[in-house]
Amino acid sequence: GNSVTQMEGPVTLSEEAFLTINCTYTATGYPSLFWYVQYPGEGLQLLLKATKADDKGSNKGFEATYRKETTSFHLEKGSVQVSDSAVYFCALRHLNTNAGKSTFGDGTTLTVKP
Amino acid sequence: DGGITQSPKYLFRKEGQNVTLSCEQNLNHDAMYWYRQDPGQGLRLIYYSQIVNDFQKGDIAEGYSVSREKKESFPLTVTSAQKNPTAFYLCASSIRSGGAGEKLFFGSGTQLSVL
Repeated sequence: GNSVTQMEGPVTLSEEAFLTINCTYTATGYPSLFWYVQYPGEGLQLLLKATKADDKGSNKGFEATYRKETTSFHLEKGSVQVSDSAVYFCALRHLNTNAGKSTFGDGTTLTVKP
Repeated sequence: DGGITQSPKYLFRKEGQNVTLSCEQNLNHDAMYWYRQDPGQGLRLIYYSQIVNDFQKGDIAEGYSVSREKKESFPLTVTSAQKNPTAFYLCASSIRSGGAGEKLFFGSGTQLSVL
């Protein structure tokens, strides 16, 4: 079956530090890959996505590249801010599969200190 | 503004009691979903509905029930059969296009606790 593995947290960084959150997946074929972010006390919201190999998703300074050869989709940001403190979830879904049946990782909690 | 509204934000359940969590969307989405989130864990799918008057069990449906009488509404009932109901419950929706980029839209969640 499908699975998503994220680096364990929590991750604590100082403001303006470089961020990497690792995500690797196991799946057949060519799934679409997503990063969702959850701010305290809220639901998840889509941060970025990539739908085929070598695609780069980007949003709000965050980037992730779909690497088929390493089955990875690592999230990066060059300079984090306090407002980036949240839980980040990596997820995958196959084409023509119900979006709600996405496979999620366990989430990585990021805390950014001033 | 379009979105998903969950209520209440906090809910307390007594032993043997059924409680219902509300989820309403005005995005005109066909598909709706309920997830359970436990601390430090990913999301687990409880139930989902792709169209009005139809729904399917997800991975952890035991002790829960749903209805989909209107496109906009997908309430979740946590029954007394659910022995460990304390969790954060998230409702979501999607367009149900099946396309590669189809994404989920989430509500703000309901925290359910047992008294």
